[in-house]
Amino acid sequence: DIQMTQSPSSLSASIGDRVTITCRASQGFSDYLAWFQQKPGKAPRLLIYAASTLQSGVPSRFSGTGSGTDFTLTITTLQPEDVATYYCQKYDGVPLTFGGGTTVEI
Amino acid sequence: QVQLVQSGAEVKKPGASVKVSCKTSGFTFISYGFTWVRQAPGQGLEWVAWISANNGDTHSALTLRDRVTLTTDSSTSTAYLEMRGLRTDDTAVYFCARKPTSQPLDYWGQGTLVTVSS
Repeated sequence: DIQMTQSPSSLSASIGDRVTITCRASQGFSDYLAWFQQKPGKAPRLLIYAASTLQSGVPSRFSGTGSGTDFTLTITTLQPEDVATYYCQKYDGVPLTFGGGTTVEI
Repeated sequence: QVQLVQSGAEVKKPGASVKVSCKTSGFTFISYGFTWVRQAPGQGLEWVAWISANNGDTHSALTLRDRVTLTTDSSTSTAYLEMRGLRTDDTAVYFCARKPTSQPLDYWGQGTLVTVSS
């Protein structure tokens, strides 16, 4: 099975900073890669799918890039409401593996 | 609007079974698959299993395959996760999520806390 490794596991940044989170797959696959945001006590929220497509209603400060084995989530201008844990997930077939998560703090 | 509403919290003893429901509305149930994901306290997300509401095909995580059963009831648009032989390390919030074919998990239930404790 393909393993998904996120880095860093946590980060602290200031309001207005540019934040980058990386997700690396143990072997290459299609661009069926999604990013989720999860706040404490809540279900995950889909932010990006197909590696770079913004889900409807998600602010444009979120963006995704990458293909093959290396994918990136970028928050261009960090806002207070972006404090959360972010997960990548491959969704082309089973298992639908998640990365370990990246916690973003202010 | 699309909704997935899960059953309430459960407390079980080790060795018992639990059945969690995920009642859906706002879309054509049999056109989708449903995925179950769990999250142990303070931990990340773990994929548990998937079922097609169209034909009943299922896939489960290798480590859980012998203890998990997924079913659906199209008459009530509800998906179910049953887990047997519960262990203390099965304590987690269990989420259901809608899985369109070749698409990501786009709508999620609110989660069901299952606590396994003697």
